Amino acid sequence: GQQLNQSPQSMFIQEGEDVSMNCTSSSIFNTWLWYKQDPGEGPVLLIALYKAGELTSNGRLTAQFGITRKDSFLNISASIPSDVGIYFCATNTGNQFYFGTGTSLTVIP
Amino acid sequence: GAGVSQTPSNKVTEKGKYVELRCDPISGHTALYWYRQSLGQGPEFLIYFQGTGAADDSGLPNDRFFAVRPEGSVSTLKIQRTERGDSAVYLCASSIRDRNFYGYTFGSGTRLTVV
Repeated sequence: GQQLNQSPQSMFIQEGEDVSMNCTSSSIFNTWLWYKQDPGEGPVLLIALYKAGELTSNGRLTAQFGITRKDSFLNISASIPSDVGIYFCATNTGNQFYFGTGTSLTVIP
Repeated sequence: GAGVSQTPSNKVTEKGKYVELRCDPISGHTALYWYRQSLGQGPEFLIYFQGTGAADDSGLPNDRFFAVRPEGSVSTLKIQRTERGDSAVYLCASSIRDRNFYGYTFGSGTRLTVV
């Protein structure tokens, strides 16, 4: 399968801080997706990106599709306790979806 | 129901036993996917159904794994002769059509533990 490398692996931040995480691959993709997974739940889609250079926001979340089409970035502004969870990047080839290894986010009140 | 329902939520089985995991997709969703998520990893694709047929089963790790969706709704993932390495969370997702990313909904998963 495709290898999606996420960094950092984990983050511990203070409430109110901004967060940045990224996802890279050696392959070119036409779609980048960002999901959040809470414990005991399935992943939930946050943002979908469809073309190189695209910058899309969803509330306090902003994601960008890298111009090389091999990477993507997710930023969370003014973090709050409910942002805690594991964030996955994902992409697809046909009907197969590939997920990264995740970034675990802990927000300290 | 409103979401994708997976049963059981937890399953503990002995090595060598047979297990069935069930997925009830959102009503009207024609596309259904199974994933496996090992501890500390992202979900890994297993199989994709469009309607009743398995359109892509290339992610099934070996012939001990099989999935069916006989009426185009409920799907069952079947694992024969379970091994300890099969322990993982098995996630199901459905969408109204393939690659409709925002309509693609995951269930909460079945946590399988093989002892």
